[in-house]
Amino acid sequence: DTGVSQDPRHKITKRGQNVTFRCDPISEHNRLYWYRQTLGQGPEFLTYFQNEAQLEKSRLLSDRFSAERPKGSFSTLEIQRTEQGDSAMYLCASSWGGNTEAFFGQGTRLTVV
Amino acid sequence: AQTVTQSQPEMSVQEAETVTLSCTYDTSESDYYLFWYKQPPSRQMILVIRQEAYKQQNATENRFSVNFQKAAKSFSLKISDSQLGDAAMYFCACRGGSNYKLTFGKGTLLTVNP
Repeated sequence: DTGVSQDPRHKITKRGQNVTFRCDPISEHNRLYWYRQTLGQGPEFLTYFQNEAQLEKSRLLSDRFSAERPKGSFSTLEIQRTEQGDSAMYLCASSWGGNTEAFFGQGTRLTVV
Repeated sequence: AQTVTQSQPEMSVQEAETVTLSCTYDTSESDYYLFWYKQPPSRQMILVIRQEAYKQQNATENRFSVNFQKAAKSFSLKISDSQLGDAAMYFCACRGGSNYKLTFGKGTLLTVNP
């Protein structure tokens, strides 16, 4: 399968713990996006990378959140000191350039207990 | 900045019938793109159809078509000959031409009855 891959699919963590999610985009795609989707809502933009450069971050991305894309390939999203409000589906998407379709991964569902 | 509104939280349709999902949007950009995405349960979001705002002709993809009313800022999705596999959450989304992030509506849950 050459689609966008996210790992893990599900994560349950205790409040206050750190978690890290990984996204592997489609190999030739230079743009990578992170979105967060809470129950009953549409996805909300978090951040985006062009190659290894993080070009935009949403105000939703508090200082407890950090994202990286070393070497412009896979990306990681880390949440430090998780809170119950962080419980959501975290979606990754990638595209080639800005005017092409964004392909989404299956998401990582985070539950903070 | 963009806002996207989907006023129908749930819709249902009989198999083989036609259904229309509504979407309105607002954007300050003159160049923008509109999308309908489908999200089946526990599966990834996939693009159903896209419309460039500068194109007057409504986009069509097989059984899926849109009614793009630029002046009214309306972008509805019509699904013809509905199939059981069409059951999913449908999201309308907008993207400005000068940036790459998508702004989504809250979604419409479509049920297809056999």
